[in-house]
Amino acid sequence: DTAVSQTPKYLVTQMGNDKSIKCEQNLGHDTMYWYKQDSKKFLKIMFSYNNKELIINETVPNRFSPKSPDKAHLNLHINSLELGDSAVYFCASSPLGTRATEQYFGPGTRLTVT
Amino acid sequence: GEDVEQSLFLSVREGDSSVINCTYTDSSSTYLYWYKQEPGAGLQLLTYIFSNMDMKQDQRLTVLLNKKDKHLSLRIADTQTGDSAIYFCAERQGSGNTGKLIFGQGTTLQVKP
Repeated sequence: DTAVSQTPKYLVTQMGNDKSIKCEQNLGHDTMYWYKQDSKKFLKIMFSYNNKELIINETVPNRFSPKSPDKAHLNLHINSLELGDSAVYFCASSPLGTRATEQYFGPGTRLTVT
Repeated sequence: GEDVEQSLFLSVREGDSSVINCTYTDSSSTYLYWYKQEPGAGLQLLTYIFSNMDMKQDQRLTVLLNKKDKHLSLRIADTQTGDSAIYFCAERQGSGNTGKLIFGQGTTLQVKP
């Protein structure tokens, strides 16, 4: 009964490759996010989608392309991977509305680019 | 990260109180949050406070908000070894579906037995 799940948990790949990370939430939430956490634990938002529509696109290289096939899924595809892409990527979801809009995080995907 | 700042490390003894501090810059933030991250895990929402409140208590957790100074603190009473983790302060910028969380760099709490 995992709320927000991500696959894979670990991903090791070489520079120049293309890879995808998948995220699914079973909470019925309307909004989903991708965050990047670097080696210093600094956590920064990358994208958010609301009901399959891109809402937030922070200053992220266009090698990163999120795709939301339905509101329960938000996948992250990364082209031409670089060493600096090594990080932990977290997916999150939140309900829409005027309440606190707390976000529920997945367990993270640790990406290592060699 | 530049909008929200926290000290990086705090060490306390088991049974003591822990106080983790945070400063933020956006005075229009409506909600402020505390998240906990255990090693190898995702972030878990601990508590949040609405900007028109000064204090919120939830069992061992007390959140204090000084809106004038843009200062937020999290007090953990009777700290246990299981509380060892990284604690992130976050402010919510924007509203509705364009709202986003801006996180501090996290405070590592070490609890010594």
